[in-house]
Amino acid sequence: SQQGEEDPQALSIQEGENATMNCSYKTSINNLQWYRQNSGRGLVHLILIRSNEREKHSGRLRVTLDTSKKSSSLLITASRAADTASYFCATDGNFGNEKLTFGTGTRLTIIP
Amino acid sequence: DGGITQSPKYLFRKEGQNVTLSCEQNLNHDAMYWYRQDPGQGLRLIYYSQIVNDFQKGDIAEGYSVSREKKESFPLTVTSAQKNPTAFYLCASSIRSTGRTSYEQYFGPGTRLTVT
Repeated sequence: SQQGEEDPQALSIQEGENATMNCSYKTSINNLQWYRQNSGRGLVHLILIRSNEREKHSGRLRVTLDTSKKSSSLLITASRAADTASYFCATDGNFGNEKLTFGTGTRLTIIP
Repeated sequence: DGGITQSPKYLFRKEGQNVTLSCEQNLNHDAMYWYRQDPGQGLRLIYYSQIVNDFQKGDIAEGYSVSREKKESFPLTVTSAQKNPTAFYLCASSIRSTGRTSYEQYFGPGTRLTVT
């Protein structure tokens, strides 16, 4: 079963604008990860946030985690055409890394 | 040049035939995974292995088999028992988790399997 649900399913914005994607999950987690997938390619890890962290930054990426609401958000600032991709959240539940459960993804399109 | 490779990139098979997808990594990772992705969907876990000669079923293992004879290799066989095998298959590896810590997974480029 897929624990994570991303919202929105698809998002189109102008280059230079900020993009925000949300992820909700159902059970307790230890960590939450965000991945990017370009069309027809493998996934690339973006950022990992632990359950005791509330916010994490990496370059133009900002991730927040609210364990009380079982939700996370990924903000991409100053978007570029190269950011066009699908973005997935993945949670590990309480069983460590051997089983990551991926959400359904947000398809982001940056319009030049 | 470290990484994880999958071959072939595209694979075509007739219904009723078994087919084996290759996955090799030189990252010295103990843990390896196989996922299936259908169009517009997220990833679903087929099998995973935390150590050589050991593997566990994921959420959708029926119709698939794996082996883990070497640390670097984790081949997936799609058997004729898999009712809807056409999909994009992704292999990944990671440091093995021994506690409550997760690690990032490194993904291969994927194999697109078409069965007709």
